[in-house]
Amino acid sequence: QKEVEQNSGPLSVPEGAIASLNCTYSDRVSQSFFWYRQYSGKSPELIMSIYSNGDKEDGRFTAQLNKASQYVSLLIRDSQPSDSATYLCAGNDYKLSFGAGTTVTVRA
Amino acid sequence: DAGVIQSPRHEVTEMGQEVTLRCKPISGHNSLFWYRQTMMRGLELLIYFNNNVPIDDSGMPEDRFSAKMPNASFSTLKIQPSEPRDSAVYFCASSLEGKGYGYTFGSGTRLTVV
Repeated sequence: QKEVEQNSGPLSVPEGAIASLNCTYSDRVSQSFFWYRQYSGKSPELIMSIYSNGDKEDGRFTAQLNKASQYVSLLIRDSQPSDSATYLCAGNDYKLSFGAGTTVTVRA
Repeated sequence: DAGVIQSPRHEVTEMGQEVTLRCKPISGHNSLFWYRQTMMRGLELLIYFNNNVPIDDSGMPEDRFSAKMPNASFSTLKIQPSEPRDSAVYFCASSLEGKGYGYTFGSGTRLTVV
């Protein structure tokens, strides 16, 4: 089993809608979690981190962590065309393990 | 801060040639990571250094790959001899030690082996 699994996508949403991205993880990565955004041809960029159960909000982004279900998600509210990118979930034990990514397209 | 600096940005080489990728981490960061990204396999960790010491090289594909970190401000990833299947984007990332810190990635080196 991979340490971090992202099975959803690609995801296409209309401008202004909520994009919901999901990620599950194994017991080997259970400390802290990160969401990265990667534009085509660019490097991954850290946009959110979450360490404890519950929600964490930063602008239009909300990260949610449920340790009992081993589940982490990212919500993008009021999606904009500039949000079109691949979003990578990562979990940290002593190193970051990345999911395969979910490609989001926001339709204008 | 200039961020993580990688060179070259693009490299095209012939099969069998030696390739050296370079990385300068963010000043003060004591952990450095080399990742490879392909469409098929996503982001794969190749090797991880902490305080210039290799901690985990289990992701290095085979003996053709080697990495060094002679000091806190410089690391290299070498492929010798290179093969077409090594074609990928290679990222270097750095971080402060600790599970709560995310990584900062460099711009990557796009390697094409023909």
